[in-house]
Amino acid sequence: GAGVSQSPSNKVTEKGKDVELRCDPISGHTALYWYRQSLGQGLEFLIYFQGNSAPDKSGLPSDRFSAERTGGSVSTLTIQRTQQEDSAVYLCASSPLSGTRNEKLFFGSGTQLSVL
Amino acid sequence: AQSVTQLGSHVSVSEGALVLLRCNYSSSVPPYLFWYVQYPNQGLQLLLKYTSAATLVKGINGFEAEFKKSETSFHLTKPSAHMSDAAEYFCAVSENSGGYQKVTFGTGTKLQVIP
Repeated sequence: GAGVSQSPSNKVTEKGKDVELRCDPISGHTALYWYRQSLGQGLEFLIYFQGNSAPDKSGLPSDRFSAERTGGSVSTLTIQRTQQEDSAVYLCASSPLSGTRNEKLFFGSGTQLSVL
Repeated sequence: AQSVTQLGSHVSVSEGALVLLRCNYSSSVPPYLFWYVQYPNQGLQLLLKYTSAATLVKGINGFEAEFKKSETSFHLTKPSAHMSDAAEYFCAVSENSGGYQKVTFGTGTKLQVIP
């Protein structure tokens, strides 16, 4: 596809269940980011993948959160034993890796996660 | 670590009025600054970016921002608001973190345009 694709667009789950959120970045983009958007909190950085390097997991809020990126392309964000405070929009973004600090991020439309 | 602060979570302007959305940054090195816009039910898209080439940066849809080092500010402006400008706007700063571009966003400002 032409843009960053995220699925599902909406996910409703029960407290305590595990969820998986998927991100398909733009083809050829080696950098991939996950952010969480909560009401009044702006965009919170979660994790970053760069090619085959070890990911920067410094933003993951707890050990219930994990992410992987297979083959340098598709990424999956997994939340185990979901809690109500996990309810938010989860955004994925990708960019080409140029070694500069001024690259534009391309965002997907996000996954709205609701934990009941 | 670098950060940005957006003053005002909600801003309302009349159609045709000046739009001013405020952003202040904190950085120990010359910053790379961005404004992104999020229209309802859409992903974020880049409005404009500052990369030290010029202090006044022009973006899409008639928006511009001026980098003021003395005030550590990068406020977003548009001379005349349109109804279609109603959206949430995010200021962001980019830093080099372990060899990659780490982008930190502000808390966002929702712009309401009143007819």
